[in-house]
Amino acid sequence: NAGVTQTPKFQVLKTGQSMTLQCAQDMNHEYMSWYRQDPGMGLRLIHYSVGAGITDQGEVPNGYNVSRSTTEDFPLRLLSAAPSQTSVYFCASIARDYQETQYFGPGTRLLVL
Amino acid sequence: AQKVTQAQTEISVVEKEDVTLDCVYETRDTTYYLFWYKQPPSGELVFLIRRNSFDEQNEISGRYSWNFQKSTSSFNFTITASQVVDSAVYFCALSESSSASKIIFGSGTRLSIRP
Repeated sequence: NAGVTQTPKFQVLKTGQSMTLQCAQDMNHEYMSWYRQDPGMGLRLIHYSVGAGITDQGEVPNGYNVSRSTTEDFPLRLLSAAPSQTSVYFCASIARDYQETQYFGPGTRLLVL
Repeated sequence: AQKVTQAQTEISVVEKEDVTLDCVYETRDTTYYLFWYKQPPSGELVFLIRRNSFDEQNEISGRYSWNFQKSTSSFNFTITASQVVDSAVYFCALSESSSASKIIFGSGTRLSIRP
């Protein structure tokens, strides 16, 4: 198993550009989530999904879109990047029954100029 | 609404000292899960423990131990005989059974172990 993979590892955007952060897991986990980590703020939940076709907003959803067309993939789209979205983004997955560890991807470091 | 508070922003101790990281949570659910994660300087997030709200037994894993007290809504983490490799940011987190995929994190405690 590759676990949770994220691409790219690092990205620089200009204000107003759009992009998609990719997240994939090969553990057949039902639950997937996106977090952003800012210095001193801990991890804040952006969007989450309980299964294919089902997504919901977390604590800080504005400026981001998600979709879950398959169990494996959970991409995060930045519609029009802003400097306030400069952060490290983590994707995570966990089995619905919580009998397994929650796995995090390695993170994507995003810089918006 | 669910909330996790880690009041200690930074802690610094000398190697071999014991150290306790505090975590206080708020939830309206009677069924919930509590977590601790470690984030070393390399940046990855490492799962340490998961505890459900019906299991108040304390847990020990090597030098790590956790004290769960529903009466005070606390889930504290103690490292015994700390080592330099324990230096990291530690996060406490909570999820409610009504929205089990929604895991909310505290702001973290940065632990520095001095040789």
